[in-house]
Amino acid sequence: NAGVMQNPRHLVRRRGQEARLRCSPMKGHSHVYWYRQLPEEGLKFMVYLQKENIIDESGMPKERFSAEFPKEGPSILRIQQVVRGDSAAYFCASSPGTGELFFGEGSRLTVL
Amino acid sequence: GENVEQHPSTLSVQEGDSAVIKCTYSDSASNYFPWYKQELGKRPQLIIDIRSNVGEKKDQRIAVTLNKTAKHFSLHITETQPEDSAVYFCAASKGNTDKLIFGTGTRLQVFP
Repeated sequence: NAGVMQNPRHLVRRRGQEARLRCSPMKGHSHVYWYRQLPEEGLKFMVYLQKENIIDESGMPKERFSAEFPKEGPSILRIQQVVRGDSAAYFCASSPGTGELFFGEGSRLTVL
Repeated sequence: GENVEQHPSTLSVQEGDSAVIKCTYSDSASNYFPWYKQELGKRPQLIIDIRSNVGEKKDQRIAVTLNKTAKHFSLHITETQPEDSAVYFCAASKGNTDKLIFGTGTRLQVFP
C-alpha cells in the first residue's frame, strides 16, 4: 500500500506565476488535508477536503489560494500569482477518518 | 478555535538520558492527541498517539501522558539515542475527521 504521494517534490516559480501541487491519498483514504510549513516553523492547517467537497477551509488565505479534490484524480492545491512569501513546504496528509493523519513527503515551493 | 502550545522549543540531552516535551491545549472538546517526529527535510511521521479515554500510553522507549483536567499532555522518551534527534510536534483535534492543530515544535538533540 503506497503512502501519500505528492508531486512535484520541488517547484520553482517566478513572482506572478501559478503553482499547482498534487496529492494522491493512501488507498482507502477519502479525507485529505493540506498544511503549510515555513522554514524552522510548525505545520499550519490550510484546508480539509473529501471527494468533491471542501469541508474546512478556515486556514486558507482568502485570495490566490484554492484547493480541490475531484471525483477522479488527485487533490490539487493551486496558488495563483505567487509571491516570495508563498515559499514554503506544502504537506498533504490523508486519513481513513479515525483521526490519524499520514503525511506525504511534501512539495517545496521556491518563489524567485 | 483550538490553540496548542509546546515547550521547550529546543532540548539537548546526553545519550541515555530521558527527554520530556510538554504541550497544553485550549479546547476542552479535543479528544485526540498525536505526536509526530520530523527529521530534516522529511515528512512528519506519527510516533504515538493518545485518546482522551486513557491517561497514559507506552510504546517501548516512548510514552505519552494526558491530563484532561489541566488540558496538557506530555511526550517522554527514555534511554535517548542519537537517532532520536529530530523535531517533535504535538497536536490536538476533536478526533475522527477533525483537523489537527499542531504545536510549534521541539528540536531535540541527543549528543553521543
